[in-house]
Amino acid sequence: GAVVSQHPSRVICKSGTSVKIECRSLDFQATTMFWYRQFPKQSLMLMATSNEGSKATYEQGVEKDKFLINHASLTLSTLTVTSAHPEDSSFYICSAPLSWWSTDTQYFGPGTRLTVL
Amino acid sequence: KNEVEQSPQNLTAQEGEFITINCSYSVGISALHWLQQHPGGGIVSLFMLSSGKKKHGRLIATINIQEKHSSLHITASHPRDSAVYICAVRKSGMADKLIFGTGTRLQVFP
Repeated sequence: GAVVSQHPSRVICKSGTSVKIECRSLDFQATTMFWYRQFPKQSLMLMATSNEGSKATYEQGVEKDKFLINHASLTLSTLTVTSAHPEDSSFYICSAPLSWWSTDTQYFGPGTRLTVL
Repeated sequence: KNEVEQSPQNLTAQEGEFITINCSYSVGISALHWLQQHPGGGIVSLFMLSSGKKKHGRLIATINIQEKHSSLHITASHPRDSAVYICAVRKSGMADKLIFGTGTRLQVFP
């Protein structure tokens, strides 16, 4: 079946540094990928929609200058948390729909746990 | 009020029990997803429904569009079913975005 990978799975960084998280579709092409954030014991919240070859679409309340998204190829989207602060500590998950015309079948990455000290 | 509500929030069961998790939503939808999130965080898509009923192994998902309600059933539950089960809906006219319920934490004891 289709697989989405994320790297790294876990990262600890100092406050003020930037962290890049990669999301890859391993055996299919994804023109769209979604980035979510999940705080402990809370549900997933959509942060942004990553579009290959164009700008990402951010949800209300998500700072686009803080959470930089690049979708440079059909199999890779990156989320960079710039100048990370402890409140950015969270579980970041990406997903990708199997086909560009339908988001019915979504494949989720295993997630990246970010801890900012 | 959340657009997607799940009940119960927490559920414990003995191995072998029949389990039902409910999801209600207040918006028009084009599809509803049931997802399973394991303790490590990884998410698996279990079902996508737009009408009726689907079955996969011991899992059954139903949806009633008129009542805006869906249920996920687990028959003959097993400790490996312990996970958080999440209901997510795709709002009509918003093709790409999923709105998630808060999840139901299930623990099945041997």
